[in-house]
Amino acid sequence: DARVTQTPRHKVTEMGQEVTMRCQPILGHNTVFWYRQTMMQGLELLAYFRNRAPLDDSGMPKDRFSAEMPDATLATLKIQPSEPRDSAVYFCASGNRGRTEAFFGQGTRLTVV
Amino acid sequence: DQQVKQNSPSLSVQEGRISILNCDYTNSMFDYFLWYKKYPAEGPTFLISISSIKDKNEDGRFTVFLNKSAKHLSLHIVPSQPGDSAVYFCAASALTGNQFYFGTGTSLTVIP
Repeated sequence: DARVTQTPRHKVTEMGQEVTMRCQPILGHNTVFWYRQTMMQGLELLAYFRNRAPLDDSGMPKDRFSAEMPDATLATLKIQPSEPRDSAVYFCASGNRGRTEAFFGQGTRLTVV
Repeated sequence: DQQVKQNSPSLSVQEGRISILNCDYTNSMFDYFLWYKKYPAEGPTFLISISSIKDKNEDGRFTVFLNKSAKHLSLHIVPSQPGDSAVYFCAASALTGNQFYFGTGTSLTVIP
């Protein structure tokens, strides 16, 4: 049963701390997306990669967010330093080129206090 | 600037009746549209899609209609079931890119 796996599922941290969220995409998928769910924006695209190369990270606050794919089985999203306004659910999704749908993980619920 | 809009945050429907969820988009380059369903504490799951070469796509109880001239699509669920209660997201993508632009979602409640 192929699925996108995200860790941790929940994270509570203090303002100013570094947060790292991890994602294991579905094996064989060459595109990975990071989304943030907010009430106002819905599912907001932060960044996406194809074949591990970053294609677009214009949705991310550059000064504090960074996204990487160290290898084909791992994508990371880091926030340093974290702020209360970063509290949201962060989703990773993977898919293939060819305009097919993306498959989402269960998300990381981040709370910054 | 929200390129995909779902103007109804919530919708309630009686079991057995039709649910109609609406979505509008502004970018004329969008040519592939999807609907996702999301339960609490889970990630969105793909429901149905439509390409701009079609104006209708049907899958069981779910039908998506596309009106390109109006830049509008809708999802019809008939008959609605209590298990359909979830948040529904509309998404769109353009041939020139691979990212999906999502709306803000519509929370559907099907009342038994």
